[in-house]
Amino acid sequence: GQNIDQPTEMTATEGAIVQINCTYQTSGFNGLFWYQQHAGEAPTFLSYNVLDGLEEKGRFSSFLSRSKGYSYLLLKELQMKDSASYLCAVRGLPPSNTGKLIFGQGTTLQVKP
Amino acid sequence: DARVTQTPRHKVTEMGQEVTMRCQPILGHNTVFWYRQTMMQGLELLAYFRNRAPLDDSGMPKDRFSAEMPDATLATLKIQPSEPRDSAVYFCASGRPGTDPESEQYFGPGTRLTVT
Repeated sequence: GQNIDQPTEMTATEGAIVQINCTYQTSGFNGLFWYQQHAGEAPTFLSYNVLDGLEEKGRFSSFLSRSKGYSYLLLKELQMKDSASYLCAVRGLPPSNTGKLIFGQGTTLQVKP
Repeated sequence: DARVTQTPRHKVTEMGQEVTMRCQPILGHNTVFWYRQTMMQGLELLAYFRNRAPLDDSGMPKDRFSAEMPDATLATLKIQPSEPRDSAVYFCASGRPGTDPESEQYFGPGTRLTVT
């Protein structure tokens, strides 16, 4: 089976740093994705990790530890427009799961002035 | 700027009516996914196609839902008969296969379905 856990809500202040955690249990692992979804809009791709370590992309970074079944998304220099839901998704191994993503419930981040 | 398109964007219908949602994947993408999103369940995979062949529809209620790809540029999701519990936003996503970062999925704008 597969299980993905992330906090439901978080609040942070503009200009600050926030870390959104994701833990997962899967029968096979072939990558972890983070998506951003603004209210009323479609999810958009943020980052991808398949090996352990930190991937940095501008203000956003994503970390993965496969042995711990753990990832986090780090958002620096928060801006008001970062208020959104952040979805953690895990991709399983072929042959039964190639390309199929299992999504967590999402973490709603509210950035306050 | 290539995008996934979906029609209609909004649909209100009465219980028992047939609903058809359409998706045009990004040209060149050969995987298509249908998702349903509700507040309670989050984002759930309903069906998954590769090269127009269904690979996984385990998340789809078979008695009333059907998904097809008549050709590489069109995917359809039908609900017949529709029920109030089907009210949700239905997203289509397309992508390229593989295990590299470029295989992420690109989501369409969604169809917001309300069944009364």
